[in-house]
Amino acid sequence: AQSVTQLDSQVPVFEEAPVELRCNYSSSVSVYLFWYVQYPNQGLQLLLKYLSGSTLVKGINGFEAEFNKSQTSFHLRKPSVHISDTAEYFCAVTTLQGAQKLVFGQGTRLTINP
Amino acid sequence: GAVVSQHPSRVICKSGTSVKIECRSLDFQATTMFWYRQFPKQSLMLMATSNEGSKATYEQGVEKDKFLINHASLTLSTLTVTSAHPEDSSFYICSARAGGEAFFGQGTRLTVV
Repeated sequence: AQSVTQLDSQVPVFEEAPVELRCNYSSSVSVYLFWYVQYPNQGLQLLLKYLSGSTLVKGINGFEAEFNKSQTSFHLRKPSVHISDTAEYFCAVTTLQGAQKLVFGQGTRLTINP
Repeated sequence: GAVVSQHPSRVICKSGTSVKIECRSLDFQATTMFWYRQFPKQSLMLMATSNEGSKATYEQGVEKDKFLINHASLTLSTLTVTSAHPEDSSFYICSARAGGEAFFGQGTRLTVV
């Protein structure tokens, strides 16, 4: 079985500051990794994904993440955040086999302060 | 990207009644859809995997007789919360996969009073 741990439940940062949201996963098989953003009372929107290839993946809204297999991590970063980035962020993992169910981390609430 | 439409976005029902939530894939066919439940300030918990033309696969601890799932076509899955109670109040989200990527509906806020 797979599991995902997001180490920070809340991350407050000032506008235009850099931010890193941490994600670690556990799996005995190869996985795909994802970051999603959720705005209040809405579904999830894909920010970026790692399937294979380059370990540094770039997504929408200026976000990027780096897959580190040895540390089983997939941390999300943005060099300069904006007020509009305030949202809940979820890291998720799925396997390459079977029903490919997504397993989500607990979520990180990113709050941008002016 | 592909679009998944979920309806209704909000519903309030009386305790003891049933509520149906629809999940549609608008521009693609989905043989498999997923239903999640999300409590306030918590993550998404997978409830069940909906399979077109066959029975849904429920996760451990989810009552299949209470959360009825029907996936009668390649573009529609429904979740019916039967005999709803206040503890069923939650945010329900469906998802479908297209091209190896999961797309999510807008979610349904269910409030049972």
